[in-house]
Amino acid sequence: SAVISQKPSRDICQRGTSLTIQCQVDSQVTMMFWYRQQPGQSLTLIATANQGSEATYESGFVIDKFPISRPNLTFSTLTVSNMSPEDSSIYLCSVEQPRTLKGLGTGIVYTFGSGTRLTVV
Amino acid sequence: AQKITQTQPGMFVQEKEAVTLDCTYDTSDQSYGLFWYKQPSSGEMIFLIYQGSYDEQNATEGRYSLNFQKARKSANLVISASQLGDSAMYFCAMREGIQGAQKLVFGQGTRLTINP
Repeated sequence: SAVISQKPSRDICQRGTSLTIQCQVDSQVTMMFWYRQQPGQSLTLIATANQGSEATYESGFVIDKFPISRPNLTFSTLTVSNMSPEDSSIYLCSVEQPRTLKGLGTGIVYTFGSGTRLTVV
Repeated sequence: AQKITQTQPGMFVQEKEAVTLDCTYDTSDQSYGLFWYKQPSSGEMIFLIYQGSYDEQNATEGRYSLNFQKARKSANLVISASQLGDSAMYFCAMREGIQGAQKLVFGQGTRLTINP
C-alpha cells in the first residue's frame, strides 16, 4: 500500500499565525483528501485536491482559511491560516488506492497520513 | 441526517473475549462501500476491513470480520479474541457512489478498552 509522509507531526502555534502541513505520497495518486478531527470528534472532510485544478471544499470550509496546493501527483499542502484556538485539531491527509482485499479481489481503500496534531495558543 | 451512526460511545471488554462494534448507515445509493478504521492514541488511521454493497459474503481480515446486514443497513465490526493492543477508537465510514469524487463519511466512533 502507499506510504504517506505527513509533516509536521505536531505543532504549537500562536493565534493569528499560519501553519502549512505537507503530505508526500510514494506513488502517484489522482485525488488527495484533507480531513480535520477536532478534539473528541470524528473526521470531517475539508477538501478534495486534484492535481492541476483548484481544490473542492466542503460546506463550512473556505479557501481563504484552508488554502490547498497540489503541484503534482505525489504531493499536497494544507495551510491553516490566521489560526485561533478553535483550529486546534488533528489534520490528516488521505489518498485512494487499490488494494487486494481477501475474497474480493482488488478494491479501493483510503490510506491516511500519520496526522498533524495542532494546538493553537 | 446522520449517514453513519455508531451508538456505542465506549465499550469495555475483557481480554480474549470477542467484541461487536455497531454501525448503521443511511444511503439511497445502490453502490456504496463500508469501511472500518482503527485510531490509536497516536492519531493515525489504520484501515481494518472493507465491505462493498454488492458483496454477498461478509468480509474477513484476520481477527476482524464484518457482519453485513444489507436490509437492516448495518455493518457491525466483530473482533475475535481481543488483545490489549486493540484498545483504540474505531470508526465506521461509508463511501457513496461509483463515479466522481467519492469521499468517506465517518461515524462518531466507539472507544474500545480491553481490560487485562
